[in-house]
Parts: sequence; C-alpha cells; structure tokens
Amino acid sequence: DIQMTQSPSSLSATVGDRVTITCRASQTISVYLNWYQQKPGKAPKVLIYDGSILQSGVPSRFSGSASGTDFTLTISGLQPEDFATYYCQQSYSLPRTFGQGTKVEIK
Amino acid sequence: QVQLQESGSGLVKPSQTLSLTCAVSGGSLSSGGYTWSWIRQPPGKGLEWIGYILPSGSAYYNPSLKSRVTISVDTSKSQFSLRLFSVTAADTAVYYCARGGNVPAAFDIWGQGTMVTVSS
Repeated sequence: DIQMTQSPSSLSATVGDRVTITCRASQTISVYLNWYQQKPGKAPKVLIYDGSILQSGVPSRFSGSASGTDFTLTISGLQPEDFATYYCQQSYSLPRTFGQGTKVEIK
Repeated sequence: QVQLQESGSGLVKPSQTLSLTCAVSGGSLSSGGYTWSWIRQPPGKGLEWIGYILPSGSAYYNPSLKSRVTISVDTSKSQFSLRLFSVTAADTAVYYCARGGNVPAAFDIWGQGTMVTVSS
C-alpha cells in the first residue's frame, strides 16, 4: 500500500493568513493526488484533483502543487468557512489511501 | 445532479454482518465509466477506503478488509451495497458511499454518511 503522510496534523491560523499543508507519498504517484475538505458532521468535499486542478466551484484561493512525491495544498487568504480538516488521497493505485488529516483551527 | 444516499442498520451486534445500501439518483450508475466506493471513518479518526465496484460487477477491496467484505451492484435498482462480516467494535464508524472517476479518479460525489455502531 502507498502511505500518505500529512503535515502538520493541526495548525492554528487567523483569517487572511496563507496556509500550507503538505502530503508526502511513500512512493511515486505521478500527479494522482487529491485534496478534500471536511467539516464536522459532513462528508468530505473534493477541492483539488490530479495534484493541481481546481474542482469546479471551488474558490481560487485554494491551490495545489507537486514536487516529486511531495504535494502541497495552499490556502491564500484564509476565510472563516475554511476552518475544517483537510485530507490528501492518492488515486495512483489500489488500495486508495488517505493522509491522516490536518485540522485547521482558529487562532 | 447525481446524489447518493446510504441506508441500512445503524446498530449491529458483534460477530454479525453489517449491511448498507447506497441509492444513486439523478443519473445513471451504469454510464460515465465511474467507480462506486465505500469509505468509512471511525469517530474522531481519518478516512479508510473499503473498496469499489464497477457497473459490470467487478469489485476491488482494501486488502485490510478483503476477507470480510463484499460489495455488490444492482444496476436495475440504481444502487450498490456493502456487506461486512464478523464485525467488531473496531468497525464502528460513519460509512460513506462515494463516486469515483476514471480519469480523474477523485471521489467527486459523496453520500451524507451513515453511522454504524457495533455493540451488544
């Protein structure tokens, strides 16, 4: 199985901050990395797919990038509705695997 | 707009079988080359992919659960189902059904999730 390691596991930030979350794959996954946002009591929602492609309807303050087996989700100008938990997930091979999550909290 | 809705028993006794169904509405389960997955999330923890099924009936499972899980599809009823055998308290979780693409393969549509508790 491909292991996905996210960092940090949690962070505190203020509205307007630039936030960066990192996900590292245990082996090559090409660009096949997806990012999800999950709010309490809700299903996850896809933000970014294939490393850097913004899902339709997702605000442009979200962006994704890749360098080898390292992937980054950036939120440029954190908004109140962005406080949530974020997960990465690889779709390169089976079984599909997720990172452990990063909780973004209000400072 | 495709929507997914999970249904099934919310309470299962240890050693028994967990059974859930995901109804697909607003679109065809058979078209578009999609995969249809089950994903679970224990309380306060992360996400675990259980497996997926294709409209043809071919299914792929997470090796960690493969010996205890069956996913089936009924295209005539536009639904797919999960059966997890010999459950323990560790199987207590919110269970989601989700649609996955072929290319791209992200899970783009999710059900609202259903809580299943394993307890005597």
